[in-house]
Amino acid sequence: DIQMTQSPSSLSASVGDRVTITCRASQGISNYLAWYQQKPGKVPKLLIYTASTLQSGVPSRFSGSRSGTDFTLTISSLQPEDVATYYCQKYNSAPFTFGPGTKVDIK
Amino acid sequence: EVQLVQSGAEVKKPGESLKISCKASGYSFTTYWIGWVRQMPGKGLEWMGIIYPGDSDTRYSPSFQGQVTISADKSITTAYLQWSSLKASDTAMYYCARPRIAGTFDAFDIWGQGTMVIVS
Repeated sequence: DIQMTQSPSSLSASVGDRVTITCRASQGISNYLAWYQQKPGKVPKLLIYTASTLQSGVPSRFSGSRSGTDFTLTISSLQPEDVATYYCQKYNSAPFTFGPGTKVDIK
Repeated sequence: EVQLVQSGAEVKKPGESLKISCKASGYSFTTYWIGWVRQMPGKGLEWMGIIYPGDSDTRYSPSFQGQVTISADKSITTAYLQWSSLKASDTAMYYCARPRIAGTFDAFDIWGQGTMVIVS
C-alpha cells in the first residue's frame, strides 16, 4: 500500500507568517490528494482537493501544490483561527490513507 | 441540507458486540460512497473502509479488514460500522464521511459529528 508522510510533525509560527506543510506519497497518486484541517475537539474539515483546488468557503490564504509525489499546503499569512492539526489524504484508490498530521500553533 | 448524523456515544465491555450508525439525508444515498474514519484519543485520522450503498461494494483498509464490518441499509439511508468482539484498543472516536462527488472516490466534504466508543 502507498504510505503518506508529513513534515514537520508540528510547528509554531507567528501571526502573519507564511507556513508550509509537506506531504509525500511513497508512490505516484496523480493529483488525488486532499488536505483537511481539524481544530481541537472538532470534526475534520476539507480545505483542498485534487492537490490544489480550494474547497468552497475556505479562505484564500490556504493553497496547495504538487511536485511529483510531494504535495504542499501553504498558509500565506497565519491567523489565530488556523491553530489546528492538518492532514493530507490520498484518494486515488483504496485504502485512502491519511498522513500522520501536522500540528500548527501560534508562537 | 446534506447531513450525516451518527448514533450516540457508547460505553461497552471487552468482548461485547457493537453496531454504530450514520444516518444520511439531503442527497441520493445510493449514489455516493460512505467511509469510516477512526481517531484514537490524542492521535491522527485512520481510514478504515468505505461502502457504496447502491450495490454494497465495500473496501477495507488492510489494518481493519476482519476487525470490523461495514454495511448499509438503503431503505433507511443508514450506514453502519460493527464489531463482533470489542477490545480496549477499539476505544476511539469514529467518523462517517461522504465524498464530494457521486459514484467515485473523492475527498470527504461531508462528515458526521462522530461517535465516541469507550471499551472498558
